[in-house]
Amino acid sequence: TQLLEQSPQFLSIQEGENLTVYCNSSSVFSSLQWYRQEPGEGPVLLVTVVTGGEVKKLKRLTFQFGDARKDSSLHITAAQPGDTGLYLCAGSGTYKYIFGTGTRLKVLA
Amino acid sequence: ETGVTQTPRHLVMGMTNKKSLKCEQHLGHNAMYWYKQSAKKPLELMFVYSLEERVENNSVPSRFSPECPNSSHLFLHLHTLQPEDSALYLCASSQDAGQLSYEQYFGPGTRLTVT
Repeated sequence: TQLLEQSPQFLSIQEGENLTVYCNSSSVFSSLQWYRQEPGEGPVLLVTVVTGGEVKKLKRLTFQFGDARKDSSLHITAAQPGDTGLYLCAGSGTYKYIFGTGTRLKVLA
Repeated sequence: ETGVTQTPRHLVMGMTNKKSLKCEQHLGHNAMYWYKQSAKKPLELMFVYSLEERVENNSVPSRFSPECPNSSHLFLHLHTLQPEDSALYLCASSQDAGQLSYEQYFGPGTRLTVT
């Protein structure tokens, strides 16, 4: 069974701080996506990473796929209240698409 | 606006009622999905349709019955639900169901409460 564990589960920080969210598995994934979900809405795709070691940047967000394609991280620089939400990673494996346990981020003004 | 719409956004139903959730995608995708999102649990994949054919059913109870009349529309028919079925039900679509890159586009969800 492929599982995706995210840490931390909850994170509350002040505006302007940096943070990193982790997505870990013991299984290898063909690709990995990161989504952000705001209250009352569905998840919105942020990025897809495919190659081991790949780094992608989206404004203040930096995504990295582990060399072995088993883990990923999301780093946010100078967090803003608009970054508040549930961050989900999702991996595609053998005939499966699995979502992580989620990290709920709150950025205080 | 993700190109995936869901109705209704909120639904309250009794355990003996029959209701249906509707999803429509305007992206020209070939695959559609139903997910269940409960508090403190990861998103649970319920059903996958590819070109209107069901390709995955993740041991979902028969009180949930999906229907995909065409590649743009997906329904979830509900009957004799239990209170533990209360959750956010999300519809999603992707270009295909068998690709290595499973980028999915989600609707806003239907918040279901079973009383």
